[in-house]
Amino acid sequence: GAGVSQSPSNKVTEKGKDVELRCDPISGHTALYWYRQSLGQGLEFLIYFQGNSAPDKSGLPSDRFSAERTGGSVSTLTIQRTQQEDSAVYLCASSVSRGYQETQYFGPGTRLLVL
Amino acid sequence: AQSVTQPDIHITVSEGASLELRCNYSYGATPYLFWYVQSPGQGLQLLLKYFSGDTLVQGIKGFEAEFKRSQSSFNLRKPSVHWSDAAEYFCAVGEGTGGFKTIFGAGTRLFVKA
Repeated sequence: GAGVSQSPSNKVTEKGKDVELRCDPISGHTALYWYRQSLGQGLEFLIYFQGNSAPDKSGLPSDRFSAERTGGSVSTLTIQRTQQEDSAVYLCASSVSRGYQETQYFGPGTRLLVL
Repeated sequence: AQSVTQPDIHITVSEGASLELRCNYSYGATPYLFWYVQSPGQGLQLLLKYFSGDTLVQGIKGFEAEFKRSQSSFNLRKPSVHWSDAAEYFCAVGEGTGGFKTIFGAGTRLFVKA
């Protein structure tokens, strides 16, 4: 049983470029979460997907951030016109279903550096 | 707004000694509470969680936490620390139905000395 995987492991980009970060959840997990971990802000919730429901985007820091989840499995987090303050580790997690009852399993993260 | 405070940025304990990591939260209702551990180079791992029931919660790796509503606290404890426990520990509150939206504390870095 593979865990949550994320790609790329590391990404270096120039300010103003767009980046896409990928998350492959554990097979059969219907809930998927994105978080960001940065030196300045610590760990922050970004967005949450549950099955085919509309995602909860309340944690996205600006409209430059978006995410989608295709076929209820793989998710892509896109950051447009990257800024230096976007530099962080982006973590993805999945769980069987939503909420307290289910344990979240985290991926290793994508380390993003914006120059 | 909900918030989580971990007053200790870092703590050093001797191997074999007991450990208590402090966590205070601000939340209007009965909170979903979590402790996570992040070891160097590792992803986040859930240690334990609480929503209702017995206020003393047992987790993995020999950890436990106690929910004290009167003190708005959810402190993490371990009776005897092992060198492998050196890591960063995050307390968190869950918002939303089922507590899916997690608000994390700033973390406490644990150092273990021989």
